[in-house]
Amino acid sequence: DQQVKQNSPSLSVQEGRISILNCDYTNSMFDYFLWYKKYPAEGPTFLISISSIKDKNEDGRFTVFLNKSAKHLSLHIVPSQPGDSAVYFCAASALRDTGKLIFGQGTTLQVKP
Amino acid sequence: DAEITQSPRHKITETGRQVTLACHQTWNHNNMFWYRQDLGHGLRLIHYSYGVQDTNKGEVSDGYSVSRSNTEDLPLTLESAASSQTSVYFCASSESSAGVAFFGQGTRLTVV
Repeated sequence: DQQVKQNSPSLSVQEGRISILNCDYTNSMFDYFLWYKKYPAEGPTFLISISSIKDKNEDGRFTVFLNKSAKHLSLHIVPSQPGDSAVYFCAASALRDTGKLIFGQGTTLQVKP
Repeated sequence: DAEITQSPRHKITETGRQVTLACHQTWNHNNMFWYRQDLGHGLRLIHYSYGVQDTNKGEVSDGYSVSRSNTEDLPLTLESAASSQTSVYFCASSESSAGVAFFGQGTRLTVV
């Protein structure tokens, strides 16, 4: 039973446009959500997070939106750059203190010059 | 700079062999985790530890074990390697209450 789902395996956008990556979850106990970025042959690197008490968190070109009623979060990247091409993982935690994360399947983003 | 390192980066082993993957972090984090990454599954949690002498099973723990004898290291052992354990393995650590895990560069394990 996949508790965190990323239903789009891949996404292709033009440089300068907006990239929107989506993530759905089923466990209502999740209270902390993160996005990780992964390049080939490297480990995932933390990108941005959001607590369940917020509905938006912004960091430069990256914004995460959380819709708790729909159990849905999204990552917006604007403007998209070729260096953003990577696999993006959504992750969720039921108890933030534990650091125990449940990951989605990942979405491969390709940003075309 | 503090970091988390995994060794080896690549390993080929035979079915039935015992294999140990090393993970070492210098952040002095209490929490350490092992994940495996497979196509279509994302990262799945194998085992985790919240401190010395503490170990817990994750969602895909069968065939794996860990031990935590100090803060810095969490080795992952495959008792009897199987072809289904061919995967990329990631170790991670996090500070208690911070929520963000930092990952190593991964170990690609092939069981033949």
